[in-house]
Amino acid sequence: AQSVAQPEDQVNVAEGNPLTVKCTYSVSGNPYLFWYVQYPNRGLQFLLKYITGDNLVKGSYGFEAEFNKSQTSFHLKKPSALVSDSALYFCAVRDIWATGNQFYFGTGTSLTVIP
Amino acid sequence: DAEITQSPRHKITETGRQVTLACHQTWNHNNMFWYRQDLGHGLRLIHYSYGVQDTNKGEVSDGYSVSRSNTEDLPLTLESAASSQTSVYFCASSDTGTGTYNEQFFGPGTRLTVL
Repeated sequence: AQSVAQPEDQVNVAEGNPLTVKCTYSVSGNPYLFWYVQYPNRGLQFLLKYITGDNLVKGSYGFEAEFNKSQTSFHLKKPSALVSDSALYFCAVRDIWATGNQFYFGTGTSLTVIP
Repeated sequence: DAEITQSPRHKITETGRQVTLACHQTWNHNNMFWYRQDLGHGLRLIHYSYGVQDTNKGEVSDGYSVSRSNTEDLPLTLESAASSQTSVYFCASSDTGTGTYNEQFFGPGTRLTVL
């Protein structure tokens, strides 16, 4: 079965410090991996995705993510956190061998950037 | 600009009533999805559709139904609302395109309360 795990419900980081939001995945084949952000009372917004190629993926708002096949991880990172980055972050995976285009989402990590 | 809209944004209903949540997208996407978001569970897939007249059950489909009569709309119906269906509901769409790794675009959500 396909799944992702976000081991941290809550991450706090000081403004200006680097941030990391963790995600590990489990799929039967090669994964397609995604990060989304959700601001209060809003829908999910796409940040970035890994399909193939370079293990470091750059996305919107200065975020990037590192794909690590041996550790089955896809951690979201940003070199310098902003207060406006405070939001709920979701990792998602799609198994390329699965029929259709179903995504499997993690339970989310709430990021708080402290001024 | 293309978008995906949901209505109503907030709904309060009573146990046993039939409720329909609307989802409309102007992306001309073939794929459409309904999720529910609950604390501690992330997003869980209710139903999905890969085109007109196509519907499929997701992870938590009991008590819900959908129909797809055109490309733009995928209404979600709760046949007999239950308190366990109090949740935030998100509609999403994605393009079939040339690959099966296209990101999903989300609507703003509908907050449903069943009393």
